[in-house]
Amino acid sequence: DTGVSQDPRHKITKRGQNVTFRCDPISEHNRLYWYRQTLGQGPEFLTYFQNEAQLEKSRLLSDRFSAERPKGSFSTLEIQRTEQGDSAMYLCASRVTGATDTQYFGPGTRLTVL
Amino acid sequence: GNSVTQMEGPVTLSEEAFLTINCTYTATGYPSLFWYVQYPGEGLQLLLKATKADDKGSNKGFEATYRKETTSFHLEKGSVQVSDSAVYFCALSGNTGFQKLVFGTGTRLLVSP
Repeated sequence: DTGVSQDPRHKITKRGQNVTFRCDPISEHNRLYWYRQTLGQGPEFLTYFQNEAQLEKSRLLSDRFSAERPKGSFSTLEIQRTEQGDSAMYLCASRVTGATDTQYFGPGTRLTVL
Repeated sequence: GNSVTQMEGPVTLSEEAFLTINCTYTATGYPSLFWYVQYPGEGLQLLLKATKADDKGSNKGFEATYRKETTSFHLEKGSVQVSDSAVYFCALSGNTGFQKLVFGTGTRLLVSP
């Protein structure tokens, strides 16, 4: 299977700890997106990469959040000093460049902050 | 800004019933429209899409038509199955810029035998 993969699938942490999530996109996809989904809501956009460049960040992405995509391959999303309000599903999606191409989603990382 | 409004769920149907899930949108320009489905414990899967007015997307018996005059993209299926039980998300993306997806809040479908 060569779909989008995310690791870990589940993460439980204590408030104040740092966590890091990884996303491996489909290999030929140069665009990568992170979204956050809270219970009962649709996913909300967090940030976007084209190759290794982070080109857009949502206002939802506070200073405690940072994302990277070194060499334009996998991406990481780090949350520092986690808060209970960070508990959510973090979704990664990738696509190729093109006016109507589809975003393909990974299975997500479910974060629980105690 | 762009936004999507979906009917609230849950939608509860018996097997073989007709399904409609309403979706309307607000957007500048000419967005692409999508329906994604999320089965329990799984990630989002694209169900169907339409990229211009009057296009009909279809997949697995589901259909939706891009109606620019009513800014709608309602999801329909003629005969639902128990296996269709899932959460359905309507979404849009612009056709310029970063093309991020903007999602509705989702509609849970429960199909009983």
